[in-house]
Amino acid sequence: EAQVTQNPRYLITVTGKKLTVTCSQNMNHEYMSWYRQDPGLGLRQIYYSMNVEVTDKGDVPEGYKVSRKEKRNFPLILESPSPNQTSLYFCASSPRTSGLNEQFFGPGTRLTVL
Amino acid sequence: AQSVAQPEDQVNVAEGNPLTVKCTYSVSGNPYLFWYVQYPNRGLQFLLKYITGDNLVKGSYGFEAEFNKSQTSFHLKKPSALVSDSALYFCAVRRLDNTDKLIFGTGTRLQVFP
Repeated sequence: EAQVTQNPRYLITVTGKKLTVTCSQNMNHEYMSWYRQDPGLGLRQIYYSMNVEVTDKGDVPEGYKVSRKEKRNFPLILESPSPNQTSLYFCASSPRTSGLNEQFFGPGTRLTVL
Repeated sequence: AQSVAQPEDQVNVAEGNPLTVKCTYSVSGNPYLFWYVQYPNRGLQFLLKYITGDNLVKGSYGFEAEFNKSQTSFHLKKPSALVSDSALYFCAVRRLDNTDKLIFGTGTRLQVFP
């Protein structure tokens, strides 16, 4: 089944404790992206990647890191989480055949930073 | 700057009645517009998109959207609502550069009552 998977789905952590949220897609998509969803703000892009080893900042990249060493994986790293990073996070992927393809989203990771 | 607006935080409709979820956009040039739906505890799912051509776009689950260039709108519609349509709906516009970036609205919660 074609899908985007994220792990963990739920995470409660404390301020300053490094964490990684994994994202993997099995559709051979070039483009991958991370979003955070907050009430009243919709989805905001954190980082995106056009292909392996090509990443760039989105609208709200502060406090986050990403890497794209393999085409299928795009982990999101929080080196020193803070309470304002408590949010619902989504990974998405899409092919770049025309640039107008819809994005496929993972199920989400709900992060709470205490 | 490109943006989308969803003027209603919530839309309530009785089952069997037609529904409309509103979206207006602001772009320079031709807009590429999308609708996504988010069911509880799930990621976003693609519903439909407008790239070019017929102003009435048909999508998944019986939804359709009407592109209106003069009113810069892309309202989502369905002739007969189902209780199972209750979800969070997002309008999005693709940025007109080489980043494949989607800019999302703040979302509209649709509540369909039996």
